[in-house]
Amino acid sequence: QTVVTQEPSLTVSPGGTVTLTCASSTGAVTSGYHPHWYQQKPGQAPRSFIYDTVRKHSWTPDRLSGSLHGGKAALTLSGALPEDEADYYCLLYYNGSRIFGGGTKLTVL
Amino acid sequence: QAHLVQSESELRESGASVKISCKASGYSFSSNGINWVRQAPGHGLEWLGWINTITGNPTYAQGSTGRFVFSLDTSVSAAYLEINGLQAEDSAIYYCARGVGFCSDGNCYLDPWGQGSLVTVSS
Repeated sequence: QTVVTQEPSLTVSPGGTVTLTCASSTGAVTSGYHPHWYQQKPGQAPRSFIYDTVRKHSWTPDRLSGSLHGGKAALTLSGALPEDEADYYCLLYYNGSRIFGGGTKLTVL
Repeated sequence: QAHLVQSESELRESGASVKISCKASGYSFSSNGINWVRQAPGHGLEWLGWINTITGNPTYAQGSTGRFVFSLDTSVSAAYLEINGLQAEDSAIYYCARGVGFCSDGNCYLDPWGQGSLVTVSS
């Protein structure tokens, strides 16, 4: 059974930088896994912020960026704001199927 | 502007079935697939699969038990998720989400999402 792993929780100071990662039990994550990143705040549906590894939506803050690093997909937040506190989920593609990571609870404190 | 509205919460007994609806508006329904995702209380997201709104062909997640059935009614721009043989662990919020891009090769993002439908299974 394929597992996608994220850090369960991370803390960043206001104005600080933090990187969330997304690893696959099958090996290195590449662009072919089409990594996506979704943000979810309490009581709300998730929302797409990064897709296809690095691509942003019109609503994606400039302080968020996606990449591949060290065999993992990565989401970097530079200049954290209180409103960035949320759960973040990565989503990877596997030959017709998709699997979410377990999510990272990001605290801005 | 694309919008998805889901049916309300449901309470069922273990072993029963439930059918959740997801009605689309603000875009051409056949232009994008519909994905289904669930979230158990206090847990993460689980991708259940998606349905091609042109062909009606469903794709279920790896390891899916066969109790989930995706369907469409294109005449009213709606997608449905039916869950048969409900178990306690099926208690969750179920979301539908439009797949924008080429979902058949994995290159589609999910937006927008419906508001979620809470399914509670009593034993």
